[in-house]
Amino acid sequence: GESVGLHLPTLSVQEGDNSIINCAYSNSASDYFIWYKQESGKGPQFIIDIRSNMDKRQGQRVTVLLNKTVKHLSLQIAATQPGDSAVYFCAENQETSYDKVIFGPGTSLSVIP
Amino acid sequence: EAGVAQSPRYKIIEKRQSVAFWCNPISGHATLYWYQQILGQGPKLLIQFQNNGVVDDSQLPKDRFSAERLKGVDSTLKIQPAKLEDSAVYLCASSPRTSGSYGEQFFGPGTRLTVL
Repeated sequence: GESVGLHLPTLSVQEGDNSIINCAYSNSASDYFIWYKQESGKGPQFIIDIRSNMDKRQGQRVTVLLNKTVKHLSLQIAATQPGDSAVYFCAENQETSYDKVIFGPGTSLSVIP
Repeated sequence: EAGVAQSPRYKIIEKRQSVAFWCNPISGHATLYWYQQILGQGPKLLIQFQNNGVVDDSQLPKDRFSAERLKGVDSTLKIQPAKLEDSAVYLCASSPRTSGSYGEQFFGPGTRLTVL
């Protein structure tokens, strides 16, 4: 069925290193993808988005890459900081479904000081 | 600007009891969402409103869950009667977008429900 998933449930990185969080999606009709960050006890917070007509988008310390050929999405965080520790979700927007956003299961990122 | 407000933040009830959650979205946001987030999983959409109309409630267990958004602003989500498997965080989100446009969703802090 249609789903958005992640390759790794947990990821530990050393402070200052770069982090890469991966996501696979199965619906080739999806045309909008979003990364959210969720800290403990809080709701998800928007990080960055990308449309299907792009393959790369950069923000502040974050880059999202989209490979439509293999239906793969990644979030790169440069110079990872302790404040980056959180669960990261990729989400898929199926515009034909009244803009319903489907979230993947999440990757827990732990930053080692 | 003020964010999405939710109350209560925590609720503990026994199975078969009823519970209600309240959400106040960001002012002017047309679209409001309720999600259920079970521990260790991503949020799952329960219902989506555009103004005060329902545009998607395909994953709402309608035999026990109900939601309304009167006057296109605040919303309440009710569970009656609750089951053990309803233990989760209930997230409310709002978005200024309407169908056919893109945009991020702004989430509230959620209500953590524990059903004993």
